[in-house]
Amino acid sequence: KAGVTQTPRYLIKTRGQQVTLSCSPISGHRSVSWYQQTPGQGLQFLFEYFSETQRNKGNFPGRFSGRQFSNSRSEMNVSTLELGDSALYLCASSLEGMRYGYTFGSGTRLTVV
Amino acid sequence: GESVGLHLPTLSVQEGDNSIINCAYSNSASDYFIWYKQESGKGPQFIIDIRSNMDKRQGQRVTVLLNKTVKHLSLQIAATQPGDSAVYFCAENGEDDKIIFGKGTRLHILP
Repeated sequence: KAGVTQTPRYLIKTRGQQVTLSCSPISGHRSVSWYQQTPGQGLQFLFEYFSETQRNKGNFPGRFSGRQFSNSRSEMNVSTLELGDSALYLCASSLEGMRYGYTFGSGTRLTVV
Repeated sequence: GESVGLHLPTLSVQEGDNSIINCAYSNSASDYFIWYKQESGKGPQFIIDIRSNMDKRQGQRVTVLLNKTVKHLSLQIAATQPGDSAVYFCAENGEDDKIIFGKGTRLHILP
């Protein structure tokens, strides 16, 4: 079966702009989580969505937001981009939540210039 | 606070030898732990997990050991192969079941 699909794979944006990243989970998976990965901070949890509701949220500013659609596809948005937002953004899906195992996508590499 | 760490940022192992990657965690309430492997250009890939009611779990060429007394987790890879070159992360269930990742250990395989 198809894995977790993230689009786009690469993105270059300018400071101050906003960006929307997309994640299509594995069919049947209802939980989608987002992570930011940087060399300095490693993998940092952004938020988790389950059945269109945000169930968990990490310690990121309000510029980072997300949503989940009825088909479980999820988007995350970052407004007013800063240089420090340059990172690999990873999406992971699971049936019900982390206790049931996550499958990660390959990520979206965002570069802010 | 919650944190998961690894003892070594880089580990070099001779091909064919066994690899041992260590991890320390701080949340004594965590009851579920996972090891992930991340190859260049890819997302983390699930390797093996273990629940706190177990001390050891074996998979194909991999074994995870959990020592709750000292809050220590290790991943053993038998007969290390070139394809095992990657960054390995341990992770635990944190508050509200969020996965908390360690910083990662890069495994280099020497020919």
